[in-house]
Amino acid sequence: EAQVTQNPRYLITVTGKKLTVTCSQNMNHEYMSWYRQDPGLGLRQIYYSMNVEVTDKGDVPEGYKVSRKEKRNFPLILESPSPNQTSLYFCASINPWNEQFFGPGTRLTVL
Amino acid sequence: AQSVTQLDSQVPVFEEAPVELRCNYSSSVSVYLFWYVQYPNQGLQLLLKYLSGSTLVESINGFEAEFNKSQTSFHLRKPSVHISDTAEYFCAVSDRGNFNKFYFGSGTKLNVKP
Repeated sequence: EAQVTQNPRYLITVTGKKLTVTCSQNMNHEYMSWYRQDPGLGLRQIYYSMNVEVTDKGDVPEGYKVSRKEKRNFPLILESPSPNQTSLYFCASINPWNEQFFGPGTRLTVL
Repeated sequence: AQSVTQLDSQVPVFEEAPVELRCNYSSSVSVYLFWYVQYPNQGLQLLLKYLSGSTLVESINGFEAEFNKSQTSFHLRKPSVHISDTAEYFCAVSDRGNFNKFYFGSGTKLNVKP
């Protein structure tokens, strides 16, 4: 089954404690992306990747890092999380026709 | 950069009534246009898209959207809604020149009442 998986699905952490949210796709897509969803703001793109070792900033990259060492994986790293990064995060994998396939989401709370 | 406006944050409607969810985008450059649907506690799913060709596009579950270049709009319509259409709907745009960058509207919650 074609899918995008994210882990963990829920995470409560404290300010400053580094964390990683993993994202994996099994569709062999070159393009992947990370978003955060906040009430009333819709989805905002954090980072995207065009292929292995090729990444670029979206609209809200501050406080986040990504890496793309393998085609299937695109982890999101928060090296020093702050409360304003409390949000619902989605990873997406994008096919050659520009259609995005979203993961189930990760709800992050930073205390 | 693009901006996407969904003017209606919530749309209540009775079952079997028609509905239109509005979407306007800012730039007149060539764009790809999308509607995504998000059911409660789930990720987003592609509902329909416009890449080129016919300006009227349809989904398999009865929704349609029309690309209007002069009005920079991509409104979503359905002639008769069902309870199961209750969800949040997001309009999204990407520029043809940089289609990896996506811009989403703030979403419209469609609440279908019996």
